[in-house]
Amino acid sequence: NAGVTQTPKFQVLKTGQSMTLQCAQDMNHEYMSWYRQDPGMGLRLIHYSVGAGITDQGEVPNGYNVSRSTTEDFPLRLLSAAPSQTSVYFCASLSLDTQYFGPGTRLTVL
Amino acid sequence: SQQGEEDPQALSIQEGENATMNCSYKTSINNLQWYRQNSGRGLVHLILIRSNEREKHSGRLRVTLDTSKKSSSLLITASRAADTASYFCATDTTGANSKLTFGKGITLSVRP
Repeated sequence: NAGVTQTPKFQVLKTGQSMTLQCAQDMNHEYMSWYRQDPGMGLRLIHYSVGAGITDQGEVPNGYNVSRSTTEDFPLRLLSAAPSQTSVYFCASLSLDTQYFGPGTRLTVL
Repeated sequence: SQQGEEDPQALSIQEGENATMNCSYKTSINNLQWYRQNSGRGLVHLILIRSNEREKHSGRLRVTLDTSKKSSSLLITASRAADTASYFCATDTTGANSKLTFGKGITLSVRP
């Protein structure tokens, strides 16, 4: 199993551009989540999904959209990138109380 | 608002020594988890302790939970240079584990 995979690893955007961060897992986990990690802030939950077709907002959802059309994929969309969205983004899936994290996407918005 | 707050923010010890890290939280929890993050990598789950448990062990890790003080500690015994990483506590207040709240993390450096 590949576990949780994320693409791209690095991305630079200009203010106002849109993009999608990809996340996929091959463990057939129902729960998936997106977090952002900023220096000195720990991880903050952006959006999460308890299964295909079901998503909900986390602590910091503004500026981001998600969808969950399949169990495997949980993409995160930045609608109009802002410098405040410069961060490292982690996707995670959940099984038996344990969250499995992807390697992260480092995003810089200029 | 930050649910889990780790203490200290940074810890530097010699290889072979024990490392103790603390986490305090504000509201009632269903469980508390500890994660490790190596530089530039994703988080890795270390251990989970439920609200009705007081102590758990996993290899060189020992976790305690005091719900009356709303605090937990992670002890790493006989530390190794490979234990150098950031450590995070995360709390689940919903019972679903889909909305973990993470602390800011502790940076542990183990000197060879």
